This record gives sequence, C-alpha cells and structure tokens, in this order.
Amino acid sequence: GESVGLHLPTLSVQEGDNSIINCAYSNSASDYFIWYKQESGKGPQFIIDIRSNMDKRQGQRVTVLLNKTVKHLSLQIAATQPGDSAVYFCAEGYSGGYQKVTFGTGTKLQVIP
Amino acid sequence: KAGVTQTPRYLIKTRGQQVTLSCSPISGHRSVSWYQQTPGQGLQFLFEYFSETQRNKGNFPGRFSGRQFSNSRSEMNVSTLELGDSALYLCASSLVGAGRETQYFGPGTRLLVL
Repeated sequence: GESVGLHLPTLSVQEGDNSIINCAYSNSASDYFIWYKQESGKGPQFIIDIRSNMDKRQGQRVTVLLNKTVKHLSLQIAATQPGDSAVYFCAEGYSGGYQKVTFGTGTKLQVIP
Repeated sequence: KAGVTQTPRYLIKTRGQQVTLSCSPISGHRSVSWYQQTPGQGLQFLFEYFSETQRNKGNFPGRFSGRQFSNSRSEMNVSTLELGDSALYLCASSLVGAGRETQYFGPGTRLLVL
C-alpha cells in the first residue's frame, strides 16, 4: 500500500482497549471540525464531525470532544479493533464560506492483536 | 452509488515535464477540491471548483492549475515538474462545496517525479 506519512506520531493500543487521539487546531475562526481515517492505499474517509457550538458528539464507537478554550480536539475510539489501524487526521473549517479545510499532521494508530 | 474516482492511480514523470490528473466526483456532486499529500507537509489544499469556476485556492505556485467541466469532472495540471512535486494528489467531492459539507475523497494519484 501507499505510505501516507513517514514521520507521524504513533499510538499503539491493545485490541479491545480504548484509543484517544489528540489534535490541536490553530484558527480561532474555525467553527467546524472533522476527523478522517486514512488506510493504506486509500483516500481519507469521514468519521465524525462537530460544530463549534458543541463540546461533545458521539457516533458508533467514536466520540469527538472539542475544547475551544485551548483549541483542542480529541477522538475517542471505544473497544479498538484491528480494522481501526490507520492514520487519523483532524481537520478544521469555517462554515461561513466555501470549503477550504485545513488538515492536521495526522496520528498513526496501531492496534496490537 | 459509485465513489470518487481518480485516474491514473500511479504516474512517473521526469523533471520539467507536465502532468494532468483526472477526477470524477460522486454523481450529483458539483464541488471538487484537490489536495496534495506529502510526508513532510501533510494534506494541503490546492483549489476548489464549482460550476466550472475556481472558488478557492491554496498557497501553491502558478504551475498548479485546474479546471472543471460541465459534467463536474475535474482535472488538475502541474507544469514544469519539480522533484518536490512528488506526492499523493487527492480529489474530494461534495454536493455544493458549502463550508460544513462532508467531503468524500478518492483513492488519489501517486505522482513520482524523477
């Protein structure tokens, strides 16, 4: 498969444990935040998003937390599975204009069976 | 519904050449965005097209250009290739490209410049 990042921070998690991936964003004007998952050889895949008027949003096995005070975003994955192994990107955008999403550098999640 | 498709998947060029990459969005999607992904810089926004018009542009030199056709398919062109242009080029589509819309990505075109 294709390498999507050679110098990414890596998080290693035991199968069945919970994973927490963190992200700091930079633009105070951003009001829309997204998490993407990128598997080897594929493009980024949408996981979950959150608006700035929320501080928590839950999906299936995933939860995103937003702390606007410190410009911090986190993705929690419950009961991590081998299929969760991938690179995870946070992204920020502004809902008022056209799409121009800014991506973070990414975190590689390795699930240990 | 078919996803975003990109052609070719892999490409090898030499410095000074030019290249054209193609993207077909999801049926019904009219906004197409292009990103460059490299290990050093991550995912960087190139430009966004809607109704054959470029609406937004990232910080890339003029060697990078694009266009969109009436059927929403898009192409991007890189002229006078440099070694640093080696990257994965990703295309993403959404309905109308509004700030809060979900973008759907294609698998990318891997460009290697020798």
